[in-house]
Amino acid sequence: DAGVTQSPTHLIKTRGQQVTLRCSPKSGHDTVSWYQQALGQGPQFIFQYYEEEERQRGNFPDRFSGHQFPNYSSELNVNALLLGDSALYLCASSPTPLRTDTQYFGPGTRLTVL
Amino acid sequence: KNEVEQSPQNLTAQEGEFITINCSYSVGISALHWLQQHPGGGIVSLFMLSSGKKKHGRLIATINIQEKHSSLHITASHPRDSAVYICAVMEYGNKLVFGAGTILRVKS
Repeated sequence: DAGVTQSPTHLIKTRGQQVTLRCSPKSGHDTVSWYQQALGQGPQFIFQYYEEEERQRGNFPDRFSGHQFPNYSSELNVNALLLGDSALYLCASSPTPLRTDTQYFGPGTRLTVL
Repeated sequence: KNEVEQSPQNLTAQEGEFITINCSYSVGISALHWLQQHPGGGIVSLFMLSSGKKKHGRLIATINIQEKHSSLHITASHPRDSAVYICAVMEYGNKLVFGAGTILRVKS
């Protein structure tokens, strides 16, 4: 059983560009959450998707948007990239947003904005 | 003030030592997670607690809901335990709020 997978592993972009990151949840999970982890800091919650809708959102600007597909996989899109968007982007999946279950994390996508 | 505070921020120990990492939080939670992150970024969930104590091998996690405090203990520490240990609280709705992490280095 594959766990949570993310692609790409690493990405380099320049300021002003747009980026799309992808996440496939663990088998049997239907809820995907995205987190941003800046260097030396703990992850920060971006948003959570369930039933193809954004259920919760953290304190991130509208440049950060997402999508969930019928197969529960998800994308994180960031427009008009800033240097401060350089971070490790983590995806986590869980069986349902309504239960207190362990979240399984993907390996992350490291985004560098030059 | 952060919702989740961890201490210490950095910890260096000799192999074999008993290690304690503390976590305090200020919000209502449905559960608390202890996570381990190795260089390169991958995060592994060690424990999920909503009360009491859990043990897995040399790792022990405790939580005191009334005092809003949790501890992670590592017995007989080993260099392979070197990693960042992160406390994260699960707010209602399955949203995780993370502490800044404790960088642990165990020297042989």
